Amino acid sequence: GAGVSQSPSNKVTEKGKDVELRCDPISGHTALYWYRQSLGQGLEFLIYFQGNSAPDKSGLPSDRFSAERTGGSVSTLTIQRTQQEDSAVYLCASSSYQIVNGYTFGSGTRLTVV
Amino acid sequence: AQKVTQAQTEISVVEKEDVTLDCVYETRDTTYYLFWYKQPPSGELVFLIRRNSFDEQNEISGRYSWNFQKSTSSFNFTITASQVVDSAVYFCALSEVNTGFQKLVFGTGTRLLVSP
Repeated sequence: GAGVSQSPSNKVTEKGKDVELRCDPISGHTALYWYRQSLGQGLEFLIYFQGNSAPDKSGLPSDRFSAERTGGSVSTLTIQRTQQEDSAVYLCASSSYQIVNGYTFGSGTRLTVV
Repeated sequence: AQKVTQAQTEISVVEKEDVTLDCVYETRDTTYYLFWYKQPPSGELVFLIRRNSFDEQNEISGRYSWNFQKSTSSFNFTITASQVVDSAVYFCALSEVNTGFQKLVFGTGTRLLVSP
C-alpha cells in the first residue's frame, strides 16, 4: 500500500481481555517495528521484524505481549490479559532494509483498557 | 548505553519567531544515525531528517535547519519564522551500528506551540 496501515484506530477493552492490533506495512518493506507511546511520553521500542523473524524482542514489557509476522508482510501484536497500564498508542513502522531513509510510521492504534 | 535527551518539554512562541529545539545524545558507537521526527496533532510521525555520524555539515531545508556537533553530542533543530502549522511534538532519535541501525531510540519529545 501507499502507507503503513494500522487497525483498529481505536480500541477500548475491559481489563483482563485479550486484544490484537494489526499492522500492514508498505509493500516491499522488509523491516517492521512496533513502538508504544504512553500519554505524554516518548516512544518505547517493543519489537522489530526482519522478514518473518524477530531478531530483537527486548522491548516487550512482559510475557503478556507477543507479536508475529507472516508472509513478510502483515504483523499482529497481541496483548493478553490486558491491564490498565497497557493503555497507550501503539505505533507500527516499516522500512526498507536500509533504514537510513527513516521509518514510515502508521497512525497508530489508541488502546484504552477500562 | 544509548540515550537521547530533549530537555525542553514545551516551548511556546509567537508566529514569525525563530525557535531552536535541543537534542543531546549518548552513544558508545562511532557510527550512528540521528533523526528528527514531527508528530502533528493528527498523531502520525513524519520523518524530517537523517544525519550520519561522519557528516557534521549543517543542513538547511527551507525554514528548517539542523546543527550537528559531535563535540557536544548535540543535534539541534531550528525553525526560522515559525508558523502555526509548525505546532507539533518534535522527536529526536538515535540509531546505532551495533543494532544494525534497526532500532531507533527516541527522546521524550518537545511540544512546540506556535500562536498567531
